[in-house]
Amino acid sequence: GAVVSQHPSRVICKSGTSVKIECRSLDFQATTMFWYRQFPKKSLMLMATSNEGSKATYEQGVEKDKFLINHASLTLSTLTVTSAHPEDSSFYICSARPASGTGGFYGYTFGSGTRLTVV
Amino acid sequence: EDKVVQSPLSLVVHEGDTVTLNCSYEVTNFRSLLWYKQEKKAPTFLFMLTSSGIEKKSGRLSSILDKKELFSILNITATQTGDSAIYLCAVGGSEKLVFGKGMKLTVNP
Repeated sequence: GAVVSQHPSRVICKSGTSVKIECRSLDFQATTMFWYRQFPKKSLMLMATSNEGSKATYEQGVEKDKFLINHASLTLSTLTVTSAHPEDSSFYICSARPASGTGGFYGYTFGSGTRLTVV
Repeated sequence: EDKVVQSPLSLVVHEGDTVTLNCSYEVTNFRSLLWYKQEKKAPTFLFMLTSSGIEKKSGRLSSILDKKELFSILNITATQTGDSAIYLCAVGGSEKLVFGKGMKLTVNP
Protein backbone atom coordinates (compact mmCIF):
# COMPACT_ATOMS: atom_id res chain seq x y z
CA GLY A 1 0.00 0.00 0.00
CA ALA A 2 0.88 3.72 0.03
CA VAL A 3 2.16 4.02 -3.53
CA VAL A 4 2.90 7.38 -5.12
CA SER A 5 3.23 7.62 -8.87
CA GLN A 6 5.15 10.51 -10.38
CA HIS A 7 5.58 11.27 -14.04
CA PRO A 8 7.22 11.95 -16.28
CA SER A 9 10.36 10.35 -14.93
CA ARG A 10 12.51 12.33 -17.28
CA VAL A 11 11.85 15.40 -19.39
CA ILE A 12 13.98 17.60 -21.57
CA CYS A 13 12.56 20.96 -22.56
CA LYS A 14 13.67 24.12 -24.27
CA SER A 15 14.41 27.24 -22.31
CA GLY A 16 11.31 29.40 -21.97
CA THR A 17 8.79 26.57 -22.11
CA SER A 18 6.71 25.20 -19.25
CA VAL A 19 6.77 21.69 -17.88
CA LYS A 20 4.13 19.96 -15.79
CA ILE A 21 4.97 17.16 -13.36
CA GLU A 22 2.22 15.00 -11.88
CA CYS A 23 2.17 13.28 -8.53
CA ARG A 24 -0.59 10.77 -7.79
CA SER A 25 -1.33 8.76 -4.70
CA LEU A 26 -2.55 5.45 -6.07
CA ASP A 27 -4.13 3.67 -3.14
CA PHE A 28 -4.73 6.32 -0.53
CA GLN A 29 -5.99 9.83 -0.21
CA ALA A 30 -3.45 12.52 0.42
CA THR A 31 -4.71 15.82 1.72
CA THR A 32 -1.12 16.98 1.81
CA MET A 33 1.62 16.44 -0.74
CA PHE A 34 5.11 17.84 -0.73
CA TRP A 35 7.38 18.90 -3.54
CA TYR A 36 11.14 18.65 -3.17
CA ARG A 37 14.07 19.57 -5.29
CA GLN A 38 17.37 17.82 -5.11
CA PHE A 39 20.63 19.18 -6.42
CA PRO A 40 23.49 16.76 -7.11
CA LYS A 41 25.01 15.36 -3.94
CA LYS A 42 22.67 17.40 -1.76
CA SER A 43 19.78 16.44 0.43
CA LEU A 44 16.18 17.06 -0.46
CA MET A 45 15.08 20.67 -0.30
CA LEU A 46 11.42 21.22 0.42
CA MET A 47 9.94 23.61 -2.11
CA ALA A 48 6.32 23.72 -1.10
CA THR A 49 3.53 21.98 0.74
CA SER A 50 0.50 21.30 -1.38
CA ASN A 51 -2.87 21.14 0.33
CA GLU A 52 -5.93 19.78 -1.42
CA GLY A 53 -8.39 22.50 -2.26
CA SER A 54 -6.26 25.39 -1.08
CA LYS A 55 -3.18 27.34 -2.02
CA ALA A 56 0.21 25.77 -1.63
CA THR A 57 2.57 26.94 1.07
CA TYR A 58 5.94 27.81 -0.38
CA GLU A 59 9.25 27.71 1.44
CA GLN A 60 11.33 30.83 1.70
CA GLY A 61 13.20 31.59 -1.48
CA VAL A 62 10.96 29.53 -3.77
CA GLU A 63 9.25 31.61 -6.46
CA LYS A 64 5.52 30.99 -6.42
CA ASP A 65 5.00 32.29 -9.92
CA LYS A 66 7.69 30.08 -11.32
CA PHE A 67 6.73 26.86 -9.60
CA LEU A 68 2.96 26.59 -9.83
CA ILE A 69 1.38 23.94 -7.66
CA ASN A 70 -2.14 22.67 -8.01
CA HIS A 71 -3.70 20.09 -5.73
CA ALA A 72 -7.12 19.74 -7.24
CA SER A 73 -8.06 16.36 -5.80
CA LEU A 74 -7.17 14.09 -2.91
CA THR A 75 -4.99 11.96 -5.17
CA LEU A 76 -3.32 14.41 -7.53
CA SER A 77 -0.93 17.29 -7.20
CA THR A 78 0.89 18.94 -10.08
CA LEU A 79 3.99 21.09 -10.22
CA THR A 80 4.41 23.30 -13.27
CA VAL A 81 7.79 24.85 -13.89
CA THR A 82 6.96 27.95 -15.91
CA SER A 83 9.34 29.63 -18.33
CA ALA A 84 11.98 27.09 -17.51
CA HIS A 85 15.66 28.04 -17.62
CA PRO A 86 18.76 25.87 -17.50
CA GLU A 87 19.23 26.65 -13.80
CA ASP A 88 15.88 24.95 -13.15
CA SER A 89 17.40 21.67 -14.29
CA SER A 90 17.20 19.38 -11.31
CA PHE A 91 15.62 16.30 -9.82
CA TYR A 92 12.13 17.00 -8.52
CA ILE A 93 10.46 14.59 -6.11
CA CYS A 94 7.00 14.59 -4.63
CA SER A 95 5.86 12.85 -1.52
CA ALA A 96 2.51 12.27 0.07
CA ARG A 97 1.40 11.49 3.52
CA PRO A 98 -1.71 9.44 4.14
CA ALA A 99 -4.07 11.16 6.52
CA SER A 100 -3.34 9.88 10.01
CA GLY A 101 -6.97 9.07 10.50
CA THR A 102 -7.11 6.61 7.63
CA GLY A 103 -5.13 3.72 8.98
CA GLY A 104 -2.52 5.02 11.31
CA PHE A 105 0.45 5.15 8.98
CA TYR A 106 1.58 8.70 8.74
CA GLY A 107 4.89 8.09 7.12
CA TYR A 108 5.76 9.73 3.88
CA THR A 109 5.86 7.93 0.56
CA PHE A 110 7.89 9.33 -2.30
CA GLY A 111 7.24 9.37 -5.99
CA SER A 112 10.01 8.08 -8.22
CA GLY A 113 11.17 11.57 -9.12
CA THR A 114 11.43 13.60 -12.32
CA ARG A 115 14.73 14.53 -13.89
CA LEU A 116 14.23 17.87 -15.62
CA THR A 117 16.80 19.10 -18.09
CA VAL A 118 16.31 22.54 -19.61
CA VAL A 119 18.36 23.17 -22.73
CA GLU B 1 14.28 26.51 13.48
CA ASP B 2 13.84 22.77 12.93
CA LYS B 3 17.11 20.98 12.39
CA VAL B 4 18.25 17.45 11.54
CA VAL B 5 21.94 16.62 11.65
CA GLN B 6 23.42 13.41 10.32
CA SER B 7 26.87 12.09 10.99
CA PRO B 8 29.16 11.07 9.53
CA LEU B 9 28.42 12.65 6.17
CA SER B 10 30.32 9.96 4.34
CA LEU B 11 31.83 6.60 5.14
CA VAL B 12 33.83 4.04 3.20
CA VAL B 13 33.92 0.49 4.52
CA HIS B 14 34.69 -3.01 3.34
CA GLU B 15 32.14 -5.71 2.77
CA GLY B 16 31.28 -7.45 6.00
CA ASP B 17 31.87 -4.42 8.20
CA THR B 18 29.18 -3.06 10.51
CA VAL B 19 28.26 0.60 10.25
CA THR B 20 26.32 2.94 12.50
CA LEU B 21 24.67 6.06 11.15
CA ASN B 22 23.68 8.84 13.51
CA CYS B 23 20.86 11.33 13.30
CA SER B 24 20.15 14.03 15.85
CA TYR B 25 17.26 16.44 15.64
CA GLU B 26 15.55 19.49 17.04
CA VAL B 27 12.02 19.91 15.83
CA THR B 28 8.83 21.29 17.25
CA ASN B 29 5.91 18.90 17.68
CA PHE B 30 7.85 15.74 16.88
CA ARG B 31 5.72 13.06 15.23
CA SER B 32 8.11 10.56 13.72
CA LEU B 33 11.65 9.96 12.54
CA LEU B 34 12.16 8.24 9.22
CA TRP B 35 15.14 6.63 7.56
CA TYR B 36 15.40 6.41 3.79
CA LYS B 37 17.87 4.85 1.40
CA GLN B 38 18.53 6.69 -1.80
CA GLU B 39 20.34 5.14 -4.70
CA LYS B 40 19.78 6.56 -8.14
CA LYS B 41 16.25 7.78 -7.90
CA ALA B 42 13.80 8.72 -5.18
CA PRO B 43 14.38 7.69 -1.58
CA THR B 44 12.99 4.35 -0.52
CA PHE B 45 11.52 3.96 2.92
CA LEU B 46 13.44 1.96 5.51
CA PHE B 47 12.00 2.67 8.94
CA MET B 48 9.61 4.94 10.75
CA LEU B 49 10.21 5.43 14.46
CA THR B 50 7.81 7.05 16.83
CA SER B 51 8.56 5.53 20.23
CA SER B 52 11.76 5.57 22.23
CA GLY B 53 13.71 2.42 22.87
CA ILE B 54 11.89 0.11 20.48
CA GLU B 55 14.27 -1.34 17.94
CA LYS B 56 12.99 -1.87 14.45
CA LYS B 57 14.69 -4.52 12.35
CA SER B 58 14.65 -5.49 8.73
CA GLY B 59 17.21 -8.08 7.76
CA ARG B 60 20.66 -6.65 8.39
CA LEU B 61 19.30 -3.19 9.12
CA SER B 62 18.04 -2.00 12.46
CA SER B 63 17.18 1.34 13.95
CA ILE B 64 16.29 2.80 17.30
CA LEU B 65 15.08 6.15 18.57
CA ASP B 66 15.92 8.02 21.76
CA LYS B 67 13.36 10.78 22.23
CA LYS B 68 14.95 12.00 25.41
CA GLU B 69 18.35 12.61 23.84
CA LEU B 70 16.77 13.47 20.46
CA PHE B 71 18.66 11.09 18.24
CA SER B 72 18.38 7.91 16.28
CA ILE B 73 20.86 5.40 14.93
CA LEU B 74 20.69 3.16 11.92
CA ASN B 75 22.83 0.03 12.04
CA ILE B 76 23.82 -2.07 9.09
CA THR B 77 25.59 -5.34 9.84
CA ALA B 78 27.57 -7.50 7.44
CA THR B 79 27.52 -4.76 4.83
CA GLN B 80 27.33 -5.63 1.16
CA THR B 81 28.21 -3.59 -1.92
CA GLY B 82 24.47 -3.19 -2.55
CA ASP B 83 24.25 -1.17 0.65
CA SER B 84 26.20 1.61 -1.04
CA ALA B 85 23.81 4.54 -1.14
CA ILE B 86 22.92 7.79 0.51
CA TYR B 87 21.01 7.29 3.73
CA LEU B 88 18.65 10.07 4.65
CA CYS B 89 17.21 10.80 8.05
CA ALA B 90 14.05 12.89 8.18
CA VAL B 91 11.95 14.06 11.06
CA GLY B 92 8.25 14.71 10.79
CA GLY B 93 7.25 17.76 12.79
CA SER B 94 3.99 19.66 12.77
CA GLU B 95 3.35 19.19 9.09
CA LYS B 96 6.39 18.64 7.00
CA LEU B 97 9.48 16.52 6.91
CA VAL B 98 12.82 18.04 7.71
CA PHE B 99 15.72 16.20 6.13
CA GLY B 100 19.28 15.83 7.19
CA LYS B 101 22.01 16.27 4.59
CA GLY B 102 22.32 12.54 4.13
CA MET B 103 25.18 10.12 4.67
CA LYS B 104 26.97 8.64 1.70
CA LEU B 105 27.96 5.06 2.38
CA THR B 106 30.37 3.28 0.10
CA VAL B 107 30.92 -0.43 0.61
CA ASN B 108 33.94 -1.78 -1.20
CA PRO B 109 34.30 -5.44 -2.11
